[in-house]
Amino acid sequence: RKEVEQDPGPFNVPEGATVAFNCTYSNSASQSFFWYRQDCRKEPKLLMSVYSSGNEDGRFTAQLNRASQYISLLIRDSKLSDSATYLCVVNTGSGNTPLVFGKGTRLSVIA
Amino acid sequence: EPEVTQTPSHQVTQMGQEVILRCVPISNHLYFYWYRQILGQKVEFLVSFYNNEISEKSEIFDDQFSVERPDGSNFTLKIRSTKLEDSAMYFCASSVEGSNTEAFFGQGTRLTVV
Repeated sequence: RKEVEQDPGPFNVPEGATVAFNCTYSNSASQSFFWYRQDCRKEPKLLMSVYSSGNEDGRFTAQLNRASQYISLLIRDSKLSDSATYLCVVNTGSGNTPLVFGKGTRLSVIA
Repeated sequence: EPEVTQTPSHQVTQMGQEVILRCVPISNHLYFYWYRQILGQKVEFLVSFYNNEISEKSEIFDDQFSVERPDGSNFTLKIRSTKLEDSAMYFCASSVEGSNTEAFFGQGTRLTVV
């Protein structure tokens, strides 16, 4: 069973659309949750952390359901610059336990 | 804005050769990591490093791999005898308080083993 599973996409959406990505994780001991963004052949960059109560950052909303081991990311009013791969990332502990990455969901926003 | 820097950006090496990938983490960070990403695959953890020693390593990080912090700024990954399957993008990352806080990634070194 994959540790962090995501729909690979691609999601092709028009500018202005709302798009949602889902992610499930297998390790119930996971403690920290993140969405990273990765542009083609570039490094991952943190988009936002995901908190139990859900959190919003501008056009981006992240939600966590610990019971279902499910994380989501909602992007409203998509921009061309949102085109990238979105990586669901979890961490099972504190200290410097490793980040576990999903394979990512590719988004293409089309004019 | 402080950033993690990696050199070289691209390294081509012959199978069996040793390579050293270099990283300069953000200066006030205490936790350091190497990850790799084979083309088209997910980012995979290799090793974490804290207080001048390895904290954790994955199954990928076998005896062919080693890490070192030779001075106060550099953090290196050495692959002793490269194999074709070592071809990947290698990312160095650092964080202030461990991986429950933001990890900042370097731009990566693309290693091609021929």
